Amino acid sequence: EAGVTQFPSHSVIEKGQTVTLRCDPISGHDNLYWYRRVMGKEIKFLLHFVKESKQDESGMPNNRFLAERTGGTYSTLKVQPAELEDSGVYFCASSTAYEQYFGPGTRLTVT
Amino acid sequence: RKEVEQDPGPFNVPEGATVAFNCTYSNSASQSFFWYRQDCRKEPKLLMSVYSSGNEDGRFTAQLNRASQYISLLIRDSKLSDSATYLCVVNNPPGTYKYIFGTGTRLKVLA
Repeated sequence: EAGVTQFPSHSVIEKGQTVTLRCDPISGHDNLYWYRRVMGKEIKFLLHFVKESKQDESGMPNNRFLAERTGGTYSTLKVQPAELEDSGVYFCASSTAYEQYFGPGTRLTVT
Repeated sequence: RKEVEQDPGPFNVPEGATVAFNCTYSNSASQSFFWYRQDCRKEPKLLMSVYSSGNEDGRFTAQLNRASQYISLLIRDSKLSDSATYLCVVNNPPGTYKYIFGTGTRLKVLA
């Protein structure tokens, strides 16, 4: 069974540009999550989808971040415009229940 | 006070040793607890779920102490391949799927 996949694995952009991260969850997993780890800090929750609906977006830092999950399958996380403090590793996870399975992450560097 | 706290380590132990990590959590109503393992620049991988008093899987034992609000992870007969960062995770608010991560405890098993 394929695991959670994320694309791209790395992205380097300049401040003010836009970046879109993609996550493909494990097939059949209705729950999809985005997390972020900035350097030196713990992994932090961003938001949770159940199918195509946002269940909890309490961790989204500001309105420069937009997450979508069209049709309840893959999800995208767009950062527009990117700021220096957005640099970090963005993890996606999926689950059927409480145990979450993580993708390899997208390492975002904003210069 | 942080919601989930861990000793960052590092714990340097010889092969074959037994090592234990503790993790404290702040919400006494929390119900679901997890240990994840994370290798350098990789995604967190689920090691163990803890829903009741404890759980055991081979050389790994997790215990929950609700009165003192901590969970522990015990690794017996340490292997070189156990070298990693061990992340303590709690669902908070209780009953939700939102993960709160500790900063992780680094373990290095020495030959």
